[in-house]
Amino acid sequence: DAGVIQSPRHEVTEMGQEVTLRCKPISGHDYLFWYRQTMMRGLELLIYFNNNVPIDDSGMPEDRFSAKMPNASFSTLKIQPSEPRDSAVYFCASSRGRWDNQPQHFGDGTRLSIL
Amino acid sequence: AQKVTQAQTEISVVEKEDVTLDCVYETRDTTYYLFWYKQPPSGELVFLIRRNSFDEQNEISGRYSWNFQKSTSSFNFTITASQVVDSAVYFCALSGKYGNKLVFGAGTILRVKS
Repeated sequence: DAGVIQSPRHEVTEMGQEVTLRCKPISGHDYLFWYRQTMMRGLELLIYFNNNVPIDDSGMPEDRFSAKMPNASFSTLKIQPSEPRDSAVYFCASSRGRWDNQPQHFGDGTRLSIL
Repeated sequence: AQKVTQAQTEISVVEKEDVTLDCVYETRDTTYYLFWYKQPPSGELVFLIRRNSFDEQNEISGRYSWNFQKSTSSFNFTITASQVVDSAVYFCALSGKYGNKLVFGAGTILRVKS
């Protein structure tokens, strides 16, 4: 079975540019999560969706960040305008079900560098 | 609030040694779930184990074993006869009863030398 697929794997762009990260969750999973990993702050949950609906976006750092999930098989995380401090590895994860907390399965991440 | 503490920032061992990674958690929930993930140098996060708060049985999977003790709020991970391929960052994580929202520890870097 295909795992969580993220694209691009690497992104280097200049400050001020718009960045769009993409994620395809595992088929049949109804939860989707976006995380950011930095040396200083570790792994932080940014936002998560259940059945394509955003449930908790309290981790989204600023209005420059937005996330959408137009259907069950696709989500985007957008940063506009980007800043150097947004440089990090961004992970997407998906899981199935709610009542028994099935494990989250992670994509390979997008390594984002803002110059 | 939920919190996970991995006090060991970095551990170095020689191949074939046993090593235990510590994880201490805090939660007010009576139902909760604990997880371990591995992040090898290639960067992906790999799920290792999930345990719910009502199941305190220890678990063994090959060279890996986990010791869950509610009395001390700990969920420790032991690798027996470590190998170089075990070198990675290991994360302990906690979620409450609802919503699958994970709180991660800071991670422990394990270096296994040949």
